[in-house]
Amino acid sequence: SQTIHQWPATLVQPVGSPLSLECTVEGTSNPNLYWYRQAAGRGLQLLFYSVGIGQISSEVPQNLSASRPQDRQFILSSKKLLLSDSGFYLCAWSGAQPKEDEQYFGPGTRLTVT
Amino acid sequence: QKEVEQDPGPLSVPEGAIVSLNCTYSNSAFQYFMWYRQYSRKGPELLMYTYSSGNKEDGRFTAQVDKSSKYISLFIRDSQPSDSATYLCAMSVNTGTASKLTFGTGTRLQVTL
Repeated sequence: SQTIHQWPATLVQPVGSPLSLECTVEGTSNPNLYWYRQAAGRGLQLLFYSVGIGQISSEVPQNLSASRPQDRQFILSSKKLLLSDSGFYLCAWSGAQPKEDEQYFGPGTRLTVT
Repeated sequence: QKEVEQDPGPLSVPEGAIVSLNCTYSNSAFQYFMWYRQYSRKGPELLMYTYSSGNKEDGRFTAQVDKSSKYISLFIRDSQPSDSATYLCAMSVNTGTASKLTFGTGTRLQVTL
């Protein structure tokens, strides 16, 4: 069966510091991968998605970036964090057609920027 | 106007009640409709997935889609305290490669003993 991991689970970082969040998927190959941010009372916002190694699509302009160095690894980064980057970051995967709409989420990383 | 509207609740019901959770949407291009359950401080869990108008049943859960009215519902029968969570509706327009989901803000449900 497929499993998705995220780490760290929680993170407290000062403003201006760098960020690296990691997501890995097990039990599937060539998944579509997604990064979402969930802010209190605002639902989930899609940040990035990737359909393959090195292929990244950005949905929202911001100071975050994403990379996919391996088939089942997705990384969210920032060079300098802002207070507004605080939130709950969720990674998700989906399969190939016709299953690409069924997205499965990881446990999330709670980021607090102080 | 938001593309997807969802009553935030909270909704409090006694154990055993039938729960109705609803979302409306404005984008007629949405083709696929999902319901997720999210426990506090956890990732969302996919509960139901459907792409056609009508009802889909899975155990105590029934998902209903009315594309003509742009309205979807999730019914929970015989609700249990373990159903206490936030329920998120989501919908997507298939681009042919990756699917981009648009989520409602979630309805918080509390099932009391």
